[in-house]
Amino acid sequence: DVKVTQSSRYLVKRTGEKVFLECVQDMDHENMFWYRQDPGLGLRLIYFSYDVKMKEKGDIPEGYSVSREKKERFSLILESASTNQTSMYLCASSLSGGKDTLGEQYFGPGTRLTVT
Amino acid sequence: GENVEQHPSTLSVQEGDSAVIKCTYSDSASNYFPWYKQELGKGPQLIIDIRSNVGEKKDQRIAVTLNKTAKHFSLHITETQPEDSAVYFCAASNPRDSNYQLIWGAGTKLIIKP
Repeated sequence: DVKVTQSSRYLVKRTGEKVFLECVQDMDHENMFWYRQDPGLGLRLIYFSYDVKMKEKGDIPEGYSVSREKKERFSLILESASTNQTSMYLCASSLSGGKDTLGEQYFGPGTRLTVT
Repeated sequence: GENVEQHPSTLSVQEGDSAVIKCTYSDSASNYFPWYKQELGKGPQLIIDIRSNVGEKKDQRIAVTLNKTAKHFSLHITETQPEDSAVYFCAASNPRDSNYQLIWGAGTKLIIKP
């Protein structure tokens, strides 16, 4: 059974704190993604990674950074948390397809982060 | 770049009736259109997808139709059941443009009334 796990289901942090969200997948997938989900806005891509140590900015990278030191682990870092980063954060992974192929994304259960 | 619009934002149907969710996309080069279902407390999960070389695909009670000319695609759920209650997301992608990214709709909350 494929699995994407996220380190916390719920997290409460204070403004200005450095926050780490961890994601681990056990499917040997090349691609990993971090999204944030807000009501009425769908899923917005923050960063993705297509290989170890590789990263690409998504649509809303400001205020975030990522780290991928091992294939199975992709971390999202909020350098200095702000209240507008209160959201649901979803991690996903997928196989790297060939040309013209997009793999199914497998999602973790999400981390609901509240910044006060 | 690609933009995906999804309607309605909320849909309430009687158990046993059909539900239809519609999405439009802007990039005529997009050729892959998945639908994901997100149950409460879980991440989204792929339920069906379609590529631009076909017009319709069915899997038991769910079907997806694609109109490339009009640039819209729809999810159809027949004989709805309580377990169909969830948030549904459509997405579009042009793998030639990016092998990694999906552009997502805003989501539809489907409520099945008993």
